[in-house]
Amino acid sequence: GIQVEQSPPDLILQEGANSTLRCNFSDSVNNLQWFHQNPWGQLINLFYIPSGTKQNGRLSATTVATERYSLLYISSSQTTDSGVYFCAVDGAGSYQLTFGKGTKLSVIP
Amino acid sequence: SAVISQKPSRDICQRGTSLTIQCQVDSQVTMMFWYRQQPGQSLTLIATANQGSEATYESGFVIDKFPISRPNLTFSTLTVSNMSPEDSSIYLCSVESNEKLFFGSGTQLSVL
Repeated sequence: GIQVEQSPPDLILQEGANSTLRCNFSDSVNNLQWFHQNPWGQLINLFYIPSGTKQNGRLSATTVATERYSLLYISSSQTTDSGVYFCAVDGAGSYQLTFGKGTKLSVIP
Repeated sequence: SAVISQKPSRDICQRGTSLTIQCQVDSQVTMMFWYRQQPGQSLTLIATANQGSEATYESGFVIDKFPISRPNLTFSTLTVSNMSPEDSSIYLCSVESNEKLFFGSGTQLSVL
């Protein structure tokens, strides 16, 4: 099956700093999504982005499908951004997603 | 977006018993998905549940251990059968809406 690698595994930021999270995948994808799991365990969908660039407030994401990677940018980080960020993909365009191991982000005041 | 209600939110169970987790969605959906998140780990798909047909299980998961019901387009249950401590995990249901996957708040299961 398709492999998903996320980097870095852990990231500590000072409040106000910017960051870039990376997701590499082993095969072509028709579905790629980014999620944030907050410290209470709730999973929030951030982006559906199998290709191209999207922005939502301080967050933006870019997927370069031909080079098999996606990036999630967080600008002016806040403590509420803390948690684990997951990238999930599917090659068939379904919603039976394969998740990466995540990037654990800690934003300190 | 879809609103998903999942219950129970947490439970502590004895080994050898079974627990049924319920998932209710506020709109009709074709497919519902059940995921498992073991402590400190990522999410793994258990099965896909379609209304009116048997669930499709991923490699490593079997119907006898994780029976699923899907009686209508807004509801599904997952049962964790004959539990052992290795089944201690968070179990999550999810649905697709407007190209995005949405998750319930999860059921944190601890097996003693």
